[in-house]
Amino acid sequence: AQSVTQPDIHITVSEGASLELRCNYSYGATPYLFWYVQSPGQGLQLLLKYFSGDTLVQGIKGFEAEFKRSQSSFNLRKPSVHWSDAAEYFCAVGAYTGNQFYFGTGTSLTVIP
Amino acid sequence: EADIYQTPRYLVIGTGKKITLECSQTMGHDKMYWYQQDPGMELHLIHYSYGVNSTEKGDLSSESTVSRIRTEHFPLTLESARPSHTSQYLCASRQLGGHTEAFFGQGTRLTVV
Repeated sequence: AQSVTQPDIHITVSEGASLELRCNYSYGATPYLFWYVQSPGQGLQLLLKYFSGDTLVQGIKGFEAEFKRSQSSFNLRKPSVHWSDAAEYFCAVGAYTGNQFYFGTGTSLTVIP
Repeated sequence: EADIYQTPRYLVIGTGKKITLECSQTMGHDKMYWYQQDPGMELHLIHYSYGVNSTEKGDLSSESTVSRIRTEHFPLTLESARPSHTSQYLCASRQLGGHTEAFFGQGTRLTVV
């Protein structure tokens, strides 16, 4: 069965520091992987996605993520965090043959001045 | 511009009332989803649809029902609201194919008093 794990429930970083949010997945075939961001009281916005090809994908707002098949991971990174990046971040996997879309439990990011 | 719309954004309603949360998308997507999300918590899939006249229950048991009479419209109904239904409800849609991302509405914040 497909599953997504985000080990970090909450992360606090200083503005200007680098960021890495972890995501591990369990899936029997090549997964389709996504990162979403959710600001308070809002829906989810797509940051980036991985289907195939280059394992380092670039997204919006300066985010990037790297797919590592050997580690079943798809970690999200940003070199320098801005205060406006404070939000909830969700990793998701789309099943190749199914219709469902599986989300991790989310990581809450706090940015301190 | 293609988009996905949820109404109302906020709703406060008394116990025992019947309510319908509206979700419409203009992208012609076949797949649509309803998620329930408590504050700062993960998303729980409560209903999904592959297309017109197709609806399925998700992973989280819910007392709500859905219908899909038109491709663009996927309303969620609670026949008798209870305080335990207080939550945020997010609607999403996707094109066919595992590689496609989900687009989310801004959510409906429901409070049952």
